[in-house]
Amino acid sequence: SAVISQKPSRDICQRGTSLTIQCQVDSQVTMMFWYRQQPGQSLTLIATANQGSEATYESGFVIDKFPISRPNLTFSTLTVSNMSPEDSSIYLCSGRLAGGTQYFGPGTRLLVL
Amino acid sequence: QQPVQSPQAVILREGEDAVINCSSSKALYSVHWYRQKHGEAPVFLMILLKGGEQKGHEKISASFNEKKQQSSLYLTASQLSYSGTYFCGTEAAGGTSYGKLTFGQGTILTVHP
Repeated sequence: SAVISQKPSRDICQRGTSLTIQCQVDSQVTMMFWYRQQPGQSLTLIATANQGSEATYESGFVIDKFPISRPNLTFSTLTVSNMSPEDSSIYLCSGRLAGGTQYFGPGTRLLVL
Repeated sequence: QQPVQSPQAVILREGEDAVINCSSSKALYSVHWYRQKHGEAPVFLMILLKGGEQKGHEKISASFNEKKQQSSLYLTASQLSYSGTYFCGTEAAGGTSYGKLTFGQGTILTVHP
């Protein structure tokens, strides 16, 4: 298995502010992804974090709202910008191993007031 | 397009068996199964990579019919610890989908003593 950590584990933020979430993975991971899980819902892929280049965003997600960086193989950040209550969700990073298995970090629980 | 899981919910007594199905409208490269308990991140159960592949993990096993784009998760002799929401994540065949998982809506499994 892969060791994946995230911080913060949870936060309460005011609308209009931004929050940056950090994700650290171990060296077995070849690809990193960011997912969102809205309350009571399934997981939705936000973007693929590409090392040293712009992330690849899925339909419905844009860089201005969710800027992502991956400066090296084992670290990535996701920023949720100009937050509104609709952004209240669990944000999860995942790491994919060479064999295809994908593990999730513990998640960041975000509440926007 | 999101894969469809069935049933949406299932209630068992300890020791009973259950089957959870996952069906996709797209050609698939792999199917991943996860279990998520309330307030926790999804936990990886297994990955199925080949058509017709069947894998086992303790009393939990799964099959993948590549031609039908379907996968099933089998839980036998259920234990209280099996309770949670089960998600299938599908990876579509094709280069641009590499590594990206699309999740079903989830199946809530409750095991009673």
